[in-house]
Order: sequence, then C-alpha cells, then structure tokens
Amino acid sequence: GAVVSQHPSRVICKSGTSVKIECRSLDFQATTMFWYRQFPKKSLMLMATSNEGSKATYEQGVEKDKFLINHASLTLSTLTVTSAHPEDSSFYICSAPLAGGPDAQYFGPGTRLTVL
Amino acid sequence: TQLLEQSPQFLSIQEGENLTVYCNSSSVFSSLQWYRQEPGEGPVLLVTVVTGGEVKKLKRLTFQFGDARKDSSLHITAAQPGDTGLYLCAPSPGNQFYFGTGTSLTVIP
Repeated sequence: GAVVSQHPSRVICKSGTSVKIECRSLDFQATTMFWYRQFPKKSLMLMATSNEGSKATYEQGVEKDKFLINHASLTLSTLTVTSAHPEDSSFYICSAPLAGGPDAQYFGPGTRLTVL
Repeated sequence: TQLLEQSPQFLSIQEGENLTVYCNSSSVFSSLQWYRQEPGEGPVLLVTVVTGGEVKKLKRLTFQFGDARKDSSLHITAAQPGDTGLYLCAPSPGNQFYFGTGTSLTVIP
C-alpha cells in the first residue's frame, strides 16, 4: 500500500489564487521531504527540500516566496503555490525517505495543478 | 547538482522488440536507482545497483552498473505495452535527490 499520500490529487484554480498541496508520510516519520515539479514526459525537477523544524532549502531558480513550504510535523509537509499563474500549471510530486538504506525513498502519487 | 543524462529521451517501439536505455554521468556514484513512472502517478522504484559491473535482472528487465560506477543501462527484452512509461535513473538518496533527464518509452501493441 501507499506509504506517502498527497492531497488533492487534482486541483483547478483561477489565476491569482493560492493553492495548498499536502504531503503525508503514512506509518513513518519523515524529518525530510522533497518536492518536485514535472512537465509532461519530462523528468522530475527538484524544487526544494522540506525540513521539519527548520526552513526549507530551495533549489536555484525556485522562488521561495512563490512556493511556500511548511513542514508542520514529522508526517506532514505542505507546498503552497501563491498567486498562481497559468505557467505554474504542472504535476507536483513529493517524496519522503525512510531512515537508513539506499532503497528507502517513497514517492507520493502526485498532484495535478491547473491554473486557468 | 549531479547531472545524469539519459538516452534516448523518447523511444517508441513495437511490442516484442528489445531496447536499451542509458544513464550517464561524469560523477561517480556509490549506488544508482532506476524508477518507472506511469502517467499521473509517482515514480516506483525498480532496482538499486550498488557494485561496479553489477547486473541485476527483474523478469524481462536487465540493469547494469558500469565498472566505474558513472553510468548504468536498462535493457528490456520483448517489450510489452505494460512497459510503457517514463524511466528515470537517480543516485541513491542523500541530502538531496536528483533524477536523470528521463526516457519516455511507448510500446505499441
């Protein structure tokens, strides 16, 4: 079964509004979570590393004021796309590593964001 | 950023054909992972290769890690429509996690 969940799976919003996407680890704690953005048939691009209890680390070129990340607890990280515009439309995916072991990385099912 | 280049970027083949996908880098990795992602879903781990020269088989999929641990390949024998998806390589998780550029495979029935 799924070990990382995302909500919502799809969201359509109007330009200028903000959208919050949740990423939850199920049955395990994640002090770190990763947020990715993906365009059709393209690879995942790491946006930021979400750290529980501290500020997120953003990749170069990612606007931290545009993409707000809050790691509220050991099982929840949220990504808020503020003042969304059509170019923000994309597939957003989170992941969480289990402690220990190179195989221990689990991905959420993704959130399809469409900004009209 | 550890840049992992995958080739080809896109591949469309007929059912029953064989194919190979490559993942190349100038960096040395302690281990490397391969994922498959279907449309609208998150990536799913297929395999982790750890030792230089290692070969792992997963049914019709054969994964190889280069001797110098800078590159890897994925070979699919007798491809089936169910193999359709985006194939991604990535170094094993660390403080950050970057994927390769991806190979989009379409297997036509």
